[in-house]
Amino acid sequence: DADVTQTPRNRITKTGKRIMLECSQTKGHDRMYWYRQDPGLGLRLIYYSFDVKDINKGEISDGYSVSRQAQAKFSLSLESAIPNQTALYFCATSGLGAGEQFFGPGTRLTVL
Amino acid sequence: GEDVEQSLFLSVREGDSSVINCTYTDSSSTYLYWYKQEPGAGLQLLTYIFSNMDMKQDQRLTVLLNKKDKHLSLRIADTQTGDSAIYFCAEIGDSSYKLIFGSGTRLLVRP
Repeated sequence: DADVTQTPRNRITKTGKRIMLECSQTKGHDRMYWYRQDPGLGLRLIYYSFDVKDINKGEISDGYSVSRQAQAKFSLSLESAIPNQTALYFCATSGLGAGEQFFGPGTRLTVL
Repeated sequence: GEDVEQSLFLSVREGDSSVINCTYTDSSSTYLYWYKQEPGAGLQLLTYIFSNMDMKQDQRLTVLLNKKDKHLSLRIADTQTGDSAIYFCAEIGDSSYKLIFGSGTRLLVRP
């Protein structure tokens, strides 16, 4: 079984709709992250959480919110989706140590 | 702010070596990473190097770090068609939480 899972894997929605993307991990890591990937731009950090009570904004948090429901679960919400939020979204986790992050398979979101 | 740059595209023939280059600006980088992304998949950590090292070798992969020039490279020996993917360079600084990614290099391996 995958260590970091994301649901849904694909989603098409309309402008103005509220969307939630979910991430679960079985790695036992405290740190979790949400990124978005756009062609030619690499990955940009949206939000990150170091533990259940810790939530921090990344470089592009506007239009997004998150919830850390448990150590293993970190969800990303788009309160009112807009077309320029069409992207590939990745969840990642990390433990302490060398800081390497482990990524989920991604959610492809299309906002029409 | 911190920045990581990579060339966008590299094409090599199967069996040749590939060298993917990366430059970064953060002088406080502690670890530097190479991730691989295959089509439709997430990012897979290939290897990483601590900033006080010059080189790290792992089977077909060789990472070279020139800290003075802030230059990182990934050499793939005997490149195979299965190596075709996007390769991301990333670095983490003193903050120890925030990975800064390059925009990725698309490697195409021709038969």
